[in-house]
Amino acid sequence: QVTLKESGPGILQPSQTLSLTCSFSGFSLSTSGMSVGWIRQPSGKGLEWLAHIWWNDDKYYNPALKSRLTISKDTSNNQVFLKIASVVTADTATYYCARITGGNYFDYWGQGTTLTVSS
Amino acid sequence: DIVLTQSPASLAVSLGQRATISCRASQSVSTSSYSYMHWYQQKPGQPPKLLIKYASNLESGVPARFSGSGSGTDFTLNIHPVEEEDTATYYCQHSWEIPWTFGGGTKLEIK
Repeated sequence: QVTLKESGPGILQPSQTLSLTCSFSGFSLSTSGMSVGWIRQPSGKGLEWLAHIWWNDDKYYNPALKSRLTISKDTSNNQVFLKIASVVTADTATYYCARITGGNYFDYWGQGTTLTVSS
Repeated sequence: DIVLTQSPASLAVSLGQRATISCRASQSVSTSSYSYMHWYQQKPGQPPKLLIKYASNLESGVPARFSGSGSGTDFTLNIHPVEEEDTATYYCQHSWEIPWTFGGGTKLEIK
């Protein structure tokens, strides 16, 4: 059974760094073709892909945010991390992690973690 | 970036009838073999759920009343017959190139 769960700080002040963790089970990022990605959704709005990391450590970032994003993984502990530097109020959103398997679509999603950026 | 334009933004369909949602890409997302377009359903308070991959391939466990079609720049999600539980927002997503982008969403209401 594949599950993913996001965790994060809940609230940050502008200019701080957001650190998100995706803890997953039911698959391994040591398996060829596996990937985990991050997607966010401001309340009442649409979805925005942020980044994803493959089993071989290839990383892809949304160019609009690339300078602020860092994705990494801990394969042994089944975790993927995303850092967003210098957060602003526009980063207020629900952040999801999701699995990608070989194909370029998200087949399993976590429930999301909410971030509010406010001074 | 490839822009995905969904239409309509919202629609209301009577129970048992057909819902048709369109997704138009700003450039082709298809080869002769594959179309890199996928569809998701999102209910309030829940994460998106994969419905259709590669334009027309039904994800395992998704009811057969959902179907996808299209190629190149024009894609369609059909739901027939619609059921009460299909009330949700539907998104298309391409994976042709980086950045992957999503359509703006179509909110479906069942009358």
